[in-house]
Amino acid sequence: GESVGLHLPTLSVQEGDNSIINCAYSNSASDYFIWYKQESGKGPQFIIDIRSNMDKRQGQRVTVLLNKTVKHLSLQIAATQPGDSAVYFCAEIPGGYNKLIFGAGTRLAVHP
Amino acid sequence: DTGVSQNPRHKITKRGQNVTFRCDPISEHNRLYWYRQTLGQGPEFLTYFQNEAQLEKSRLLSDRFSAERPKGSFSTLEIQRTEQGDSAMYLCASSSGTGSLQTQYFGPGTRLLVL
Repeated sequence: GESVGLHLPTLSVQEGDNSIINCAYSNSASDYFIWYKQESGKGPQFIIDIRSNMDKRQGQRVTVLLNKTVKHLSLQIAATQPGDSAVYFCAEIPGGYNKLIFGAGTRLAVHP
Repeated sequence: DTGVSQNPRHKITKRGQNVTFRCDPISEHNRLYWYRQTLGQGPEFLTYFQNEAQLEKSRLLSDRFSAERPKGSFSTLEIQRTEQGDSAMYLCASSSGTGSLQTQYFGPGTRLLVL
């Protein structure tokens, strides 16, 4: 099938290691942020979200950190598994709008 | 499966032809969105509906593009007189509620190739 993110930056990790994917967002007025995972040939899959009044949120094996001072978002994946291999996008919703604005994406490659 | 569904999954057409894609949102979701994604890029917003009303359209949505959601359930996206630059993945998403802080859930997309 076609490949999502042919020329995206790639993060390579060993299975079982922790992964950290970073994202710089553009709009200081954004008040909602979402991380999506996209596998080749599929639509983006929701992973975790965070609102601007928070700086950290945890899910199952994933943690999102928000630093509004420098407009930075990160996704931490604990004990990375081969099934985590995909392209990861951060997305923001500027205040007062309903559309998602996506970042450039990062390819995560998990090696056994 | 109660997720967002899109049909067809793939479409190959010749330049100048018209194409129509369908999106069925998650049941009871009142908002429906269309995005376009080209290889190596994140999805870009095209338009969104709240129930049957089309509330916002991107400048990316030229006059050749039209979207409808006549009964506030499924939606169609039509591209008239297709051009090679229209080749992309067309993604549909849906969400529920009335505020802006809603999670959008995506369908599998329709991959369009214009020859």
